[in-house]
Amino acid sequence: SQQGEEDPQALSIQEGENATMNCSYKTSINNLQWYRQNSGRGLVHLILIRSNEREKHSGRLRVTLDTSKKSSSLLITASRAADTASYFCATGTANNNDMRFGAGTRLTVKP
Amino acid sequence: DAGVIQSPRHEVTEMGQEVTLRCKPISGHNSLFWYRQTMMRGLELLIYFNNNVPIDDSGMPEDRFSAKMPNASFSTLKIQPSEPRDSAVYFCASSLGVSGELFFGEGSRLTVL
Repeated sequence: SQQGEEDPQALSIQEGENATMNCSYKTSINNLQWYRQNSGRGLVHLILIRSNEREKHSGRLRVTLDTSKKSSSLLITASRAADTASYFCATGTANNNDMRFGAGTRLTVKP
Repeated sequence: DAGVIQSPRHEVTEMGQEVTLRCKPISGHNSLFWYRQTMMRGLELLIYFNNNVPIDDSGMPEDRFSAKMPNASFSTLKIQPSEPRDSAVYFCASSLGVSGELFFGEGSRLTVL
């Protein structure tokens, strides 16, 4: 089954700085998704990038996908204290709805 | 749309008791997932359904856990008998289609004493 592995495990930055989180996976995918989780809440979908895409933007989020290296990165630009949360990646295949998550990256943005 | 609705939000029970967690997916979604989240193990996929049929239950920890989806708008996750190591937050999520975006409920926090 698919499972993303995020790194770093924890990241602490100052407000206004950029935050980069990485995700690696092991087998072929149909798409890769990034989610955010605020403490005590459910996960919220941020962005989906398909296997034939290399880069995608949504507001202050930029996601890249390198299928040759089986890796993805999530960049949050001009971070805000409200971006403090855990970020997870999950991968999906064409035939399998088996969405599994890694351990996540805990991002802290200091005001 | 109200989103994915889970109940109860919090449950405290004693070891050996039966626990039933409930989930109402988003109307029209045809896939439903149950996840468990703990500090030690992170977010684990327990089971998922496609069109009300269980597809993969390999993540269900043991026979004490069972899940049902009697119709497209309701699913239950049952633990009988419960044990302290079952303490966790249990999330239900639904999606439309294969590998689609998952919509999560707010979770059910279970504490087994």
